[in-house]
Formats: sequence, C-alpha cells, structure tokens
Amino acid sequence: DAKTTQPNSMESNEEEPVHLPCNHSTISGTDYIHWYRQLPSQGPEYVIHGLTSNVNNRMASLAIAEDRKSSTLILHRATLRDAAVYYCILRESYGAQKLVFGQGTRLTINP
Amino acid sequence: KAGVTQTPRYLIKTRGQQVTLSCSPISGHRSVSWYQQTPGQGLQFLFEYFSETQRNKGNFPGRFSGRQFSNSRSEMNVSTLELGDSALYLCASSLLVAAPEETQYFGPGTRLLVL
Repeated sequence: DAKTTQPNSMESNEEEPVHLPCNHSTISGTDYIHWYRQLPSQGPEYVIHGLTSNVNNRMASLAIAEDRKSSTLILHRATLRDAAVYYCILRESYGAQKLVFGQGTRLTINP
Repeated sequence: KAGVTQTPRYLIKTRGQQVTLSCSPISGHRSVSWYQQTPGQGLQFLFEYFSETQRNKGNFPGRFSGRQFSNSRSEMNVSTLELGDSALYLCASSLLVAAPEETQYFGPGTRLLVL
C-alpha cells in the first residue's frame, strides 16, 4: 500500500486560509490522491480528490506538485466547523475500494 | 437521499460473546466496506463487499466476518469478543467497486465496548 506523510497537527485562525501538506514520494503514475476528514464523533467524509491537475470544489482546493510527490489541501477561509482530522490517502488504480488511512493531521481552528 | 445508516449506534458486550453490526448503504450503492477505528491503530480496513461477494479483506483474524445481502445491506459479525475489539466500527458505501476515483460515503459508526 502506498504511503503518505502528514504533520500530526496544525493550528490556524478562523477565516484565514489553511494549507495542509501531504508527502507521497512513492506514488505511482496512476494513483489518485484523496482527502477525507473526520469531524469529532463522526465518520470520515470525503473532501476532494485528484490525479494530476489542481482541483477545486465547494469545500476545498487540491494543489498537486508537478512531480506528484506531494500535494496540499487548501481551505480558503477556515471556520470552526473545519476543525477535524484530515487524511491524505492514495488510491491505487487497480484493486478494491479499501482506503488506507494514515494518522492524519489534526487541525485546530482558533476563534 | 438518505446517507449510510448503521445500527446499533452503541453496544456493550462482554468477553467471549459475539456481536452483529448492520449497515444500510446509500440507495443505489452496491459496494460496502467496513473499517475499525481504535485510538492505537487508527482506521483500519476490515473487508469490502460488492454484489454479495467479498472482494477484499484486511489483516484481521477469522473472528471477524461479514456478508452482504441482495439489497446491498451488509452485516459484520465478531465472534468470541476480546477486550481489544472495543472500537468504533465504520461502514462506507460507494457506487462501484475498484474505481480509484470513486468516493466512499461513511456512516456514523457503531461504538462497541467489550467488558
């Protein structure tokens, strides 16, 4: 299973942008990069995913390095509700639906 | 559209007993995966079902088993419970299987406490 490396924790202020980094130096050419987050006392929820190009959706943006060995999840204006554990996951192009979760980054948002 | 539902939400059992957890996927979703979450090991994949067939299995002992019904609902069973089985058990559903861009939708989980 391909592995990712994320900081254990990060802190930011409300209404400021947040950049959550993820290193995945062993990524293969067809692996997708997925981000999920888990709010307190809830199951994980999908945030965004991408393959090569940067991606935007209503929740966040995903910036993927040109060599694909790293990526950054960007929350443009953090709110208190964004406090969660964020997981960066590589999905192999073959194989089944399993998600291999690392320890993730615990994001704290200060009011 | 209703989300993934799991029952029961909380459960207390004693060592040696067995337990069955239930998961109803989002309507139209045919793939169901199960995960175990503990403070020490984090989120770990248990198994995945598609069209009533187990497609993939994680590294868990045979005491952990599951099945999927024709309506895509799934159950997982843990026999001979051990203290270490205390965890949050999460179910996730997705439309298809084996598509790397596919999104999984998680339920709220069943919190199992083994005494």
